[in-house]
Amino acid sequence: GENVEQHPSTLSVQEGDSAVIKCTYSDSASNYFPWYKQELGKRPQLIIDIRSNVGEKKDQRIAVTLNKTAKHFSLHITETQPEDSAVYFCAASEDSGTYKYIFGTGTRLKVLA
Amino acid sequence: GAGVSQTPSNKVTEKGKYVELRCDPISGHTALYWYRQSLGQGPEFLIYFQGTGAADDSGLPNDRFFAVRPEGSVSTLKIQRTERGDSAVYLCASSLSGFEDTQYFGPGTRLTVL
Repeated sequence: GENVEQHPSTLSVQEGDSAVIKCTYSDSASNYFPWYKQELGKRPQLIIDIRSNVGEKKDQRIAVTLNKTAKHFSLHITETQPEDSAVYFCAASEDSGTYKYIFGTGTRLKVLA
Repeated sequence: GAGVSQTPSNKVTEKGKYVELRCDPISGHTALYWYRQSLGQGPEFLIYFQGTGAADDSGLPNDRFFAVRPEGSVSTLKIQRTERGDSAVYLCASSLSGFEDTQYFGPGTRLTVL
């Protein structure tokens, strides 16, 4: 089955700097990769996603890149703000007929004002 | 529109007791997933419903865990003879049809087994 690894586990950046979180996956059949932001005690919220037929996707300050050959994808946040502080999870949708998500272990991002 | 809702938000129970956790998916979503999230970890898959049927229950840890979705909408996760190791946040998610649709998560139920 699918396995997703995520790095780093914690990341501190100064306000206004960029943050990059990286994930690798094992199953080359996976085709859908969402990113979720989870604030303390809250539900995971989708912030951006990418499908395997696309190499990059941007939404304002957030972008995701996908390298299918290397089986890795990354989240890029530019011009970080204190409200970006949260735990970020990457996931891969397992191509097993159920399309359940296999999540990474999360990255705790702290944006220092 | 209304998102995924879960009740209760918190549940404290004693070891050995039975608990039920409820999930109300987004109206019209046929796919429903249950995940379990332990402290400091990503959500882990438990079970997937397509309509009324459990299409994949491979993530249920043992036979103390069971889930139903009798009318293809609301789902209930049932845990018998709870153990301290069952303590976690139980998340429900729904998507329009499964496949590679985006899953929308509920706020979770925090289960504490004393």
